[in-house]
Amino acid sequence: EVQLVESGGGLVQPGGSLRLSCAASGFTFDDCAMHWVRQAPGKGLEWVSGISWNSGSIAYADSVEGRFTISRDDAKSSLFLQMDSLRPEDTALFYCIKDNRGSLAARGAFDIWGQGTMVIVSS
Amino acid sequence: DIQMTQSPSSLSASVGDRVTITCRASQSISTYLHWYQQKPGKAPNLLIYAASRLQTGVPSRFSGSGSGTDFTLTITNLQPEDFATYYCQQSYSAPRTFGAGTKVEIK
Repeated sequence: EVQLVESGGGLVQPGGSLRLSCAASGFTFDDCAMHWVRQAPGKGLEWVSGISWNSGSIAYADSVEGRFTISRDDAKSSLFLQMDSLRPEDTALFYCIKDNRGSLAARGAFDIWGQGTMVIVSS
Repeated sequence: DIQMTQSPSSLSASVGDRVTITCRASQSISTYLHWYQQKPGKAPNLLIYAASRLQTGVPSRFSGSGSGTDFTLTITNLQPEDFATYYCQQSYSAPRTFGAGTKVEIK
């Protein structure tokens, strides 16, 4: 079964840090680009960051550039999102997503989604 | 950034109806346009990729069309399980922007 399982969310104070993890199974992880997308409570979807199959291409939304860092460990079939300098507006459910292509340049679609991990930034 | 404008933002329909949702990009995105369905409390699910290609396992009552800046998602013979929110998304360039969503409700 193809599966993505996120972890690492929680309550953090403004200015704090969190590291999200995503464990992948059921597909060849190192062939696929991966992404993080977030959804604030009651709001729409916002793409956060993407990474190509070989980590050779990485992109971020302007809203998180310089504060968030995406990475992957192919040996462990895992995707990560290091989030620093967190702000209240970062409060959201964060989804780990598989791209149906290997490179970001291939402009693929998001064909597998995890169930998400909730991040709450509040004092 | 490429802006994605969906319309309508919500609609009411009955089981068996034909429903059309439109998505307009602020610049040409060729066919790098995808549609997702999200039910309450669940992760989104890919329905249509590359504007018109049906994702494996998705019922054939869902179809997509368009290229350039104007795209359409059509649901024929609306079923009870189709009441959800639908999002379009472009992958032509970063950031990979989504439309604001269209909520399909029961009339």
